Amino acid sequence: AQTVTQSQPEMSVQEAETVTLSCTYDTSENNYYLFWYKQPPSRQMILVIRQEAYKQQNATENRFSVNFQKAAKSFSLKISDSQLGDTAMYFCAFEVQGAQKLVFGQGTRLTINP
Amino acid sequence: AAGVIQSPRHLIKEKRETATLKCYPIPRHDTVYWYQQGPGQDPQFLISFYEKMQSDKGSIPDRFSAQQFSDYHSELNMSSLELGDSALYFCASSSLLAGGQETQYFGPGTRLLVL
Repeated sequence: AQTVTQSQPEMSVQEAETVTLSCTYDTSENNYYLFWYKQPPSRQMILVIRQEAYKQQNATENRFSVNFQKAAKSFSLKISDSQLGDTAMYFCAFEVQGAQKLVFGQGTRLTINP
Repeated sequence: AAGVIQSPRHLIKEKRETATLKCYPIPRHDTVYWYQQGPGQDPQFLISFYEKMQSDKGSIPDRFSAQQFSDYHSELNMSSLELGDSALYFCASSSLLAGGQETQYFGPGTRLLVL
């Protein structure tokens, strides 16, 4: 069975700072996908970024980037120039290719302070 | 761009009643997923359908059933509701053909409160 662990229940930074959220996972599979989802107070689940395990290059989406370390089974999210609108719960998620289900971590509650 | 539609957005039921949640996937998406998120918890996978056939099953109670119809919309039927069923229920959809394989896009959720 796959497991996803987010060891930081809460984080808080000042606006415009850079913050890194940690995620580790455990699997014996070789082909899989990793995701970060954002859940603001509205509780909508919003895709932030995705990484294919077969790609060595780290995914980037504007101010969001990941540090994917396959051997270490680590998948951290870096948010640069943080904004007040980044305040949300962030979930790391894992999906084996073809499995058609996401396994989520426990979430990290991120607060951006003005 | 069109998103996943869920209805109703809010639902209040009594214990032992029945509830039906509906999900309309993004157009041309062929796979639908259901998740349950309890208060302060991460989403838990319930069940998924690909091309109207059940494709994977998680920790879905026997009191719950679901199906995907010919127009790809899906319904989650919940019977003999219990207080512990109070949660946010998400539907998500994805497509193997739209270049976004394995990327699930979530609807706004249905908030179910069982009294």
